[in-house]
Amino acid sequence: EPEVTQTPSHQVTQMGQEVILRCVPISNHLYFYWYRQILGQKVEFLVSFYNNEISEKSEIFDDQFSVERPDGSNFTLKIRSTKLEDSAMYFCASSETTAAEQYFGPGTRLTVT
Amino acid sequence: QKEVEQDPGPLSVPEGAIVSLNCTYSNSAFQYFMWYRQYSRKGPELLMYTYSSGNKEDGRFTAQVDKSSKYISLFIRDSQPSDSATYLCAMKGTGGFKTIFGAGTRLFVKA
Repeated sequence: EPEVTQTPSHQVTQMGQEVILRCVPISNHLYFYWYRQILGQKVEFLVSFYNNEISEKSEIFDDQFSVERPDGSNFTLKIRSTKLEDSAMYFCASSETTAAEQYFGPGTRLTVT
Repeated sequence: QKEVEQDPGPLSVPEGAIVSLNCTYSNSAFQYFMWYRQYSRKGPELLMYTYSSGNKEDGRFTAQVDKSSKYISLFIRDSQPSDSATYLCAMKGTGGFKTIFGAGTRLFVKA
């Protein structure tokens, strides 16, 4: 069964450093998403991406965040200068259409020290 | 008022019980309703996906949507210890991209 994969599973970084989180969406899906879940809190939408551009973003997704589809299979989230409050689980998701189900990856746990 | 309200629990039931999980919402634009299961430090796993009002059944799981009351439910029949997890309701509008999640209800099924 096709699934969304994410690497690394756990990333530790120092405050102010740049991190790149990687995702491989399900191969026939066209819509890609990043969500964040701070420990003990709800899953929050960050951004959606379609046809090589951002289609929607939340107020959390400020200038320190960017997304990219560098090739035909990968989808990345970059955090330019990490802050302590960026520590969270980051989930990638993908869907065939906007109306279709979103399937989530296993997540990357980001720890900023 | 929060867009999506979900009782965080925890909810503890004996094995074999029928479990009822619920969410209320305030945004009448929501048209798609989902239930995800999440194990500790894992990604949300899609259980049920419904459009507009009505019921949907899949094995031991039944999802109900009542748009007039802005209320959705997930029923789990013959609950098993392996059902112990956090259950997230989620919803989105037509034409929108983002999914709004509830806080999640922690469920414990005791053997």
